[in-house]
Amino acid sequence: DVKVTQSSRYLVKRTGEKVFLECVQDMDHENMFWYRQDPGLGLRLIYFSYDVKMKEKGDIPEGYSVSREKKERFSLILESASTNQTSMYLCASIPGRYRYGYTFGSGTRLTVV
Amino acid sequence: KNQVEQSPQSLIILEGKNCTLQCNYTVSPFSNLRWYKQDTGRGPVSLTIMTFSENTKSNGRYTATLDADTKQSSLHITASQLSDSASYICVVSADSSYKLIFGSGTRLLVRP
Repeated sequence: DVKVTQSSRYLVKRTGEKVFLECVQDMDHENMFWYRQDPGLGLRLIYFSYDVKMKEKGDIPEGYSVSREKKERFSLILESASTNQTSMYLCASIPGRYRYGYTFGSGTRLTVV
Repeated sequence: KNQVEQSPQSLIILEGKNCTLQCNYTVSPFSNLRWYKQDTGRGPVSLTIMTFSENTKSNGRYTATLDADTKQSSLHITASQLSDSASYICVVSADSSYKLIFGSGTRLLVRP
């Protein structure tokens, strides 16, 4: 089975801190995604990457950046965390053909205080 | 506008009973529809994925149906168990697109 691992289950950060959320997948998938999930809003796409060093903005990229230096690792960066970025963050990956199912990580619950 | 709507928002049933969750979508052109189960505080886990030509797919006690003409899908859970308590999310993807359109989910609680 494909495994998508997010480095932290829970994080508490202070406003203004730089925050790194890490995601690693072990099946050589080309495509990796970062979503945030908020009650009543469902999952919203922040950024995705279709290859090493390639990235595209999703629906809500403001306040976030990403890094993909290696195929298996996709990092989400909050340059200056704010309280409205308190959320559940989910990483996902799929192989090159989009018709296959996404595999999600377990999620990181980020609280910004 | 591409949208996925799920009903009901929440549902409480007794252990051992059956239930059906609904999903209506307006995504076009349609590629596939997926049902995910998400336990509290965890990431979604895939239950089923169906393409245009498939109208039913089962995964154990979970059976998903798809009516591409009416753009409706349902997830039927048979003989519910306490471990079925979770959110169930319907997700639709447009043809040849990386983008997924997520429903807001149905929160199911199974009581003993």
